[in-house]
Amino acid sequence: QSVLTQPPSVSGAPGQRVTISCTGSSSNIGAGYDVHWYQQLPGTAPSLLIYSNINRPSGVPDRFSGSKSGTSASLAITGLQADDEGDYFCQSYDITMSGSVFGAGTKVTVL
Amino acid sequence: QVQLVQSGAEVKKPGSSVKVSCEASGGTFTNLVINWVRQAPGQGLEWMGRIIPLLRITNYAQKFQGRVTITADKSTTAAYMELTSLRSEDTALYYCAISRASGSYLIDFWGQGTLVTVSS
Repeated sequence: QSVLTQPPSVSGAPGQRVTISCTGSSSNIGAGYDVHWYQQLPGTAPSLLIYSNINRPSGVPDRFSGSKSGTSASLAITGLQADDEGDYFCQSYDITMSGSVFGAGTKVTVL
Repeated sequence: QVQLVQSGAEVKKPGSSVKVSCEASGGTFTNLVINWVRQAPGQGLEWMGRIIPLLRITNYAQKFQGRVTITADKSTTAAYMELTSLRSEDTALYYCAISRASGSYLIDFWGQGTLVTVSS
């Protein structure tokens, strides 16, 4: 069981908006540690999508946005496209685990 | 930017050990942090540990303490992850992944992964 909880899957039609939640606790997100998001397209290694809660690396479209509040964070994808299909993982630091932790991942399906 | 080149796939017997390498192409790891993250088939990402070569510091996930050793060579052009007492549940894709800042666990970029299969 992951320390960070994500929904197993979300889906939406092309052009729609979807959100992925990442729920933690006072040992990680709630303690003020940053949340990072990674995108893993089928058959590829993960890549950084959002860092430090809200920031996009160069080259990531502004259709992707992140937010954080309390013990949770969220990733939003607007204008959903077919090539957004893949798995999305949140990551933070956990005091109790004394290390980095990932969510179990959310599979995004474009209908 | 440093590119990561990982060693090839391995097939190991239960109870044995595996050592996976990660080489820096086009630079060194001197000012970087090397993380090791694994992904079992169809599963999520699991952080195993990291090394900060410049400071000669390693941090390991509690789950792998005593079973994993992460090292970097003196030239800081290669890093290694050794996992001992292998069992079938260790079958996974093992990634080396770089953090640019030692104070952060943010992973800036990833290697291509090395498949380790544990089977009798």
